[in-house]
Amino acid sequence: DAGVTQSPTHLIKTRGQQVTLRCSPKSGHDTVSWYQQALGQGPQFIFQYYEEEERQRGNFPDRFSGHQFPNYSSELNVNALLLGDSALYLCASSLERGPSGNTIYFGEGSWLTVV
Amino acid sequence: AQSVTQLGSHVSVSEGALVLLRCNYSSSVPPYLFWYVQYPNQGLQLLLKYTTGATLVKGINGFEAEFKKSETSFHLTKPSAHMSDAAEYFCAVSPSNTGKLIFGQGTTLQVKP
Repeated sequence: DAGVTQSPTHLIKTRGQQVTLRCSPKSGHDTVSWYQQALGQGPQFIFQYYEEEERQRGNFPDRFSGHQFPNYSSELNVNALLLGDSALYLCASSLERGPSGNTIYFGEGSWLTVV
Repeated sequence: AQSVTQLGSHVSVSEGALVLLRCNYSSSVPPYLFWYVQYPNQGLQLLLKYTTGATLVKGINGFEAEFKKSETSFHLTKPSAHMSDAAEYFCAVSPSNTGKLIFGQGTTLQVKP
């Protein structure tokens, strides 16, 4: 049973560029959330996708956008990259109508460095 | 609004000693509470979670946590630390079981031989 998989694992981008990160949720999961974890900080919620729609959004600018595909996989896009966007980006998957105590699984993350 | 405060950014214990990592939360609704562990250069692994029912929750690797509503706390404990427990630990709260987690700043656990 595959867990949450993310790609790429590491990447370096230049200020002003755009980046796309990808996530495949755990088998059977239909909800994908994205988090940003800056060095030495706790993860911060970016947004969540369910049924191909953005359902919840954290306090992040519109430069951060996403998409969910019919197979439940998801992409995170960041435009006009800033140095402050350098962070570990974590994808989490869960099941919308899971049993009480639904477990949220995280991927290994994508390390983004903006230079 | 919900928030989480982890008291102590660094905790150091000797191998075999009690581990106590503190977490206090703020929530206007009955919360779901979680502890996650993060090893260097890795993602987050769930240690344990509280949703409803028994307030003492047992997790993996010998960890447990107790939900105390009156103290708005969810402290993580382990009776005897092992060298492999050295990692970053995050407490998180969720207003519902829908995948949006609010994390604390994390506590780095150091285990000394």
